Amino acid sequence: AQKITQTQPGMFVQEKEAVTLDCTYDTSDQSYGLFWYKQPSSGEMIFLIYQGSYDEQNATEGRYSLNFQKARKSANLVISASQLGDSAMYFCAMRDHLIQGAQKLVFGQGTRLTINP
Amino acid sequence: DGGITQSPKYLFRKEGQNVTLSCEQNLNHDAMYWYRQDPGQGLRLIYYSQIVNDFQKGDIAEGYSVSREKKESFPLTVTSAQKNPTAFYLCASSIIYRDPPRTQYFGPGTRLTVL
Repeated sequence: AQKITQTQPGMFVQEKEAVTLDCTYDTSDQSYGLFWYKQPSSGEMIFLIYQGSYDEQNATEGRYSLNFQKARKSANLVISASQLGDSAMYFCAMRDHLIQGAQKLVFGQGTRLTINP
Repeated sequence: DGGITQSPKYLFRKEGQNVTLSCEQNLNHDAMYWYRQDPGQGLRLIYYSQIVNDFQKGDIAEGYSVSREKKESFPLTVTSAQKNPTAFYLCASSIIYRDPPRTQYFGPGTRLTVL
């Protein structure tokens, strides 16, 4: 079964610094997808970025980039120039498998990121 | 505006009572999902549905039931058989294409507390 591991329960970063959130995964599938979500204190899950296993380039979305190292089975999220509004829980997730197009997501335990002014 | 709505935002229930959580989407998505989140934890899948009148159990379906009578709606019932129902419940939806979808969209969640 697929598994996601996030080893950093909490991180504290100074405003404007870059931050890397770690994510490692375990799967025997050749085709898979990796996601990062942000969950502020309000509780809503906000999609940040996606990386497909066959994507040749690392995914980028504005200040977010995904450092995808397939051989090491890692998919770290990099946030450049952190802002106070980046303080939240961050979850890494993997598509478990597809059933007629519906996708099961398996989530890690999350990392609580705190940006200090 | 397109999106997913969940109601109510907060829900209190007495032990032994069934309660139904609402989830509605106007994104025209075929697939819908229910997740449970416990404090300090990631999300776990309860049920999902690819099409109207069809749904599948996820990893923690015991004590829960769902229905999918309309494409837009996927209500979740937390029954008295659920031993520890106090949690944050999130509904999500996604498209179904030949290629795997690149995201799931989430609603704002319902926080259920059993008194």
